[in-house]
Amino acid sequence: AQKITQTQPGMFVQEKEAVTLDCTYDTSDPSYGLFWYKQPSSGEMIFLIYQGSYDQQNATEGRYSLNFQKARKSANLVISASQLGDSAMYFCAMRDSFGNEKLTFGTGTRLTIIP
Amino acid sequence: DTGVSQNPRHKITKRGQNVTFRCDPISEHNRLYWYRQTLGQGPEFLTYFQNEAQLEKSRLLSDRFSAERPKGSFSTLEIQRTEQGDSAMYLCASSTLSGGGETQYFGPGTRLLVL
Repeated sequence: AQKITQTQPGMFVQEKEAVTLDCTYDTSDPSYGLFWYKQPSSGEMIFLIYQGSYDQQNATEGRYSLNFQKARKSANLVISASQLGDSAMYFCAMRDSFGNEKLTFGTGTRLTIIP
Repeated sequence: DTGVSQNPRHKITKRGQNVTFRCDPISEHNRLYWYRQTLGQGPEFLTYFQNEAQLEKSRLLSDRFSAERPKGSFSTLEIQRTEQGDSAMYLCASSTLSGGGETQYFGPGTRLLVL
């Protein structure tokens, strides 16, 4: 069965510093996709970044980048130059063919940016 | 550009009552998903539709739950004889296949409280 593990329940980071949120996954499917979502206190899940298992380069989207280490089955999210508005819950999720089209989510990391 | 919308945003009901939630996906998206999120957890898959066909249902979806997408556009999720354990955030997401893979975009969710 697919599994996503996020080992950091909470993190505190000084504003303008970079932060890395950890995510490890488990699947035996060679074809899968990894996603990061941000969930502010309002509740909406906001898509941040996607990495496909066959992508040769790590994904980047503005201040977000994904440190994809396939052999270690890790897909860590890096946020550069953190801002107060980055304070939220962050979820890592995976889709593979065994799970059909659904996303399997981790338990999330609560990120708090300190001014 | 309108994203995924959900109504109502909040619902308080008494145990044993029936409730119905609505989701309007992004207009060109043919796939629609329902997830449930309880406090401190990541979203868990409930069911998904491709156009009007319901293609998969989670074991979480008991007989008291039913979902429809009658014309392949909006969807409804009904919970009959609500129980206190049904209290959660119900999230809807939509997607469409694209060259880079499939990304699910979420609505703001419906927070259900069963008293």
